[in-house]
Amino acid sequence: RKEVEQDPGPFNVPEGATVAFNCTYSNSASQSFFWYRQDCRKEPKLLMSVYSSGNEDGRFTAQLNRASQYISLLIRDSKLSDSATYLCVVKDNNNDMRFGAGTRLTVKP
Amino acid sequence: DAGVTQSPTHLIKTRGQQVTLRCSPKSGHDTVSWYQQALGQGPQFIFQYYEEEERQRGNFPDRFSGHQFPNYSSELNVNALLLGDSALYLCASSLGREPQHFGDGTRLSIL
Repeated sequence: RKEVEQDPGPFNVPEGATVAFNCTYSNSASQSFFWYRQDCRKEPKLLMSVYSSGNEDGRFTAQLNRASQYISLLIRDSKLSDSATYLCVVKDNNNDMRFGAGTRLTVKP
Repeated sequence: DAGVTQSPTHLIKTRGQQVTLRCSPKSGHDTVSWYQQALGQGPQFIFQYYEEEERQRGNFPDRFSGHQFPNYSSELNVNALLLGDSALYLCASSLGREPQHFGDGTRLSIL
């Protein structure tokens, strides 16, 4: 089993749609959780950290369920500029970051 | 405030050769991690350097080695290159438990 698993995608949605990505992790000792965004042929960039209480940043909402070892990202009112690959990232107690394979999102007019 | 910088941007090598990639961390960061990202995959952790020592290592062979200098910059060395080593090599820096910041990467092609 992979350490971090994500929805395989790709997700193709119209502008204005709401889309949700899921991610599960295998290491119960994981300490920190993040969503990164990666544009084609570019480096990953931090989108948001994920907190146990859930957190929101504009149109983006992240949720963490430690009991189920599950992380989610919700994007509301999708924009064309949201098209990218979204990487689920888990940091363990050794400070190692483990990346999922990514979920590709394409938002169409 | 310079972010993470990597050099070179692109590199073409042949099988059996050796390569050195370089990374300068973001100002104020003391930890450097290296990742390999194959096409269509997420980044795979190679190793992490802190205080000039390799602190953690992923599942990569000994052909992959590194170094961190007193100014926190780092090098990734790969010996006896294989076709399968073709990938985007990403350097990320961080301070403590803060999220990592990535450089633009070095795209390595092995012919």
